[in-house]
Amino acid sequence: GQQVMQIPQYQHVQEGEDFTTYCNSSTTLSNIQWYKQRPGGHPVFLIQLVKSGEVKKQKRLTFQFGEAKKNSSLHITATQTTDVGTYFCAGRRQGAQKLVFGQGTRLTINP
Amino acid sequence: GAGVSQSPSNKVTEKGKDVELRCDPISGHTALYWYRQRLGQGLEFLIYFQGNSAPDKSGLPSDRFSAERTGESVSTLTIQRTQQEDSAVYLCASSTGLAGLETQYFGPGTRLLVL
Repeated sequence: GQQVMQIPQYQHVQEGEDFTTYCNSSTTLSNIQWYKQRPGGHPVFLIQLVKSGEVKKQKRLTFQFGEAKKNSSLHITATQTTDVGTYFCAGRRQGAQKLVFGQGTRLTINP
Repeated sequence: GAGVSQSPSNKVTEKGKDVELRCDPISGHTALYWYRQRLGQGLEFLIYFQGNSAPDKSGLPSDRFSAERTGESVSTLTIQRTQQEDSAVYLCASSTGLAGLETQYFGPGTRLLVL
C-alpha cells in the first residue's frame, strides 16, 4: 500500500536557525498537504500543493512539491518559539481517495 | 456547528471495560477518518469512511476495535475489553471527500486512559 515517510522524526534548533522537514512517498501523489500540531492540540491544515515542482510560501515557511510528485519539503527560515510543534505531511495517491499521513517531525526550539 | 466535535473529551476506564467514542463531523462532509495518537507519537490511521462506500478498516489494530457511521453524520468508535496499551488520544477528522478539496478538519480528540 501507499507509504509516506517523513524525516527527521525529531529536530531541535536554536531560535533563529532554519529548519527543514522532508516527506517521501512510495507512489506518485495527486497532491500533498502539510499540517501543524501544537503541543496539546490537534493537527491544523497549513497548505496544499498540487502541481509538479510547485513552491508556495507563507511568511517564513516555504513548501515545495517535487518534480516527480513523490516528495515534498517544508522549510522554516529563522525559527521562532511559536514554530514549536509537530509538522505532518499527508498525500493522496493518484486514483485513491484516502489521505495518508507521514509520521511527523517534532520541532523543539531553544530560546 | 463550526467544526468537528468529539465526546467525551476525556475518558478514564478500567482494563476490560468497553468504551464508545463519538465524532460529529462538519455538516456535509462525506469523508471521515479516525486516528490514534499515543503520547509523543504520530497519527496512526484506524478507519476511513467515504460516503456510502464500504469503510477502509485496514488500520484497526485488533478485532476489539470497531467503528460505525450513520449516513454522512455521526460516527462512533468502540473499543471492547480495553487494554492499557489502548491509552491514547483518539482523533477524528472530516473532509468534503471531493478531489482537490481533501483538507482534513480535526476534532479536539478524546483522551483515553485505561487503568
